[in-house]
Amino acid sequence: GAGVSQSPSNKVTEKGKDVELRCDPISGHTALYWYRQSLGQGLEFLIYFQGNSAPDKSGLPSDRFSAERTGGSVSTLTIQRTQQEDSAVYLCASSLSTSSYGEQFFGPGTRLTVL
Amino acid sequence: AQSVTQLGSHVSVSEGALVLLRCNYSSSVPPYLFWYVQYPNQGLQLLLKYTSAATLVKGINGFEAEFKKSETSFHLTKPSAHMSDAAEYFCAVGPSSASKIIFGSGTRLSIRP
Repeated sequence: GAGVSQSPSNKVTEKGKDVELRCDPISGHTALYWYRQSLGQGLEFLIYFQGNSAPDKSGLPSDRFSAERTGGSVSTLTIQRTQQEDSAVYLCASSLSTSSYGEQFFGPGTRLTVL
Repeated sequence: AQSVTQLGSHVSVSEGALVLLRCNYSSSVPPYLFWYVQYPNQGLQLLLKYTSAATLVKGINGFEAEFKKSETSFHLTKPSAHMSDAAEYFCAVGPSSASKIIFGSGTRLSIRP
């Protein structure tokens, strides 16, 4: 498909476990974003990658959260020692460039439930 | 600093009625403004965006929004609601770099038959 894909679509885990969420951006998109959407809340910016530049991690809520982007394409968001408050939908988006105010294309999200 | 406020977490209108979803922003620099729509179990999709060109912006599915600097508003409207318009709508504001788009808390639009 040509859109942003995310896997898994749903993830149920136990408190204290680590989880990895994957994002495949649109081919050729240099910018990649992770957001968190909690029930009844707006989108919370987590982290952003642009090309080979150092990522903007200013939105990560704690040091349990980390993300990497390999080869400028696929990104993985890792949450260590998950807590119940981490339960949310995690959305990934990509765009051609941040400087062109281009449209962000969103994936369908990963719904994370921490028991 | 930038922020965006969406008035009304839930709006319900009758099919065929006017849709008005309110968004007010705060920005110390000329803003870039966006409306996104999220259908159930899907990601967000761009409806329209304002990037300092025309103040009246037309988007997909018959939606439009008007940038009013004096009111710091960017309300979303549609003359006649369709059942298919039922979704969550997010207003967002960006600075000179789109890396920090700030999203509002969203407005859920319901359409009554």
